[in-house]
Amino acid sequence: ILNVEQSPQSLHVQEGDSTNFTCSFPSSNFYALHWYRWETAKSPEALFVMTLNGDEKKKGRISATLNTKEGYSYLYIKGSQPEDSATYLCAFMDYGGATNKLIFGTGTLLAVQP
Amino acid sequence: DTEVTQTPKHLVMGMTNKKSLKCEQHMGHRAMYWYKQKAKKPPELMFVYSYEKLSINESVPSRFSPECPNSSLLNLHLHALQPEDSALYLCASSPIAPSSDSYNEQFFGPGTRLTVL
Repeated sequence: ILNVEQSPQSLHVQEGDSTNFTCSFPSSNFYALHWYRWETAKSPEALFVMTLNGDEKKKGRISATLNTKEGYSYLYIKGSQPEDSATYLCAFMDYGGATNKLIFGTGTLLAVQP
Repeated sequence: DTEVTQTPKHLVMGMTNKKSLKCEQHMGHRAMYWYKQKAKKPPELMFVYSYEKLSINESVPSRFSPECPNSSLLNLHLHALQPEDSALYLCASSPIAPSSDSYNEQFFGPGTRLTVL
């Protein structure tokens, strides 16, 4: 059974704070690691797909790093804004062919106070 | 159009009812997925369709019956559900073959919130 863990479970920060969360995944049979942002009552939205050890990706104030050898990824948000409030999910994809499966973590719930 | 739509948004049904959830996408994706998400748990994969054929069934009880009538539509037929089946049901789609860019990035709908009484 593949286990994907995220920490912390929830995080409350003030507007302007920078924050980061962790996703841990199996280091064997790695294919890709996905990050999704999920606002309440909306669709989960893909942030990053990371595939190579040492990958760093950035979208605006959000960035992510990947370490496939030790099985973790960090998501960073610089200068958090209230609109960043959402659940951030990571999902591990192991190699399984053309329709690979995503195994999701439980998510980190971020609340940014104005 | 990069949207996945799901209807209905909310559904309340009794244990003897038959109902269906619908999902639609017009991105030309040939893989479509059903996930179930219970409160405070991660989304769990139920079914995957590839080229309109069922390719993965994650040992889902037969009271859930998926159907993919064409490349844009995915249905989930529900019959004789139990209260513990109450959950958010998410649909997603993705390109079928991994490319160097997509790695099967999945596009999700907003879900159907199902309550079984």
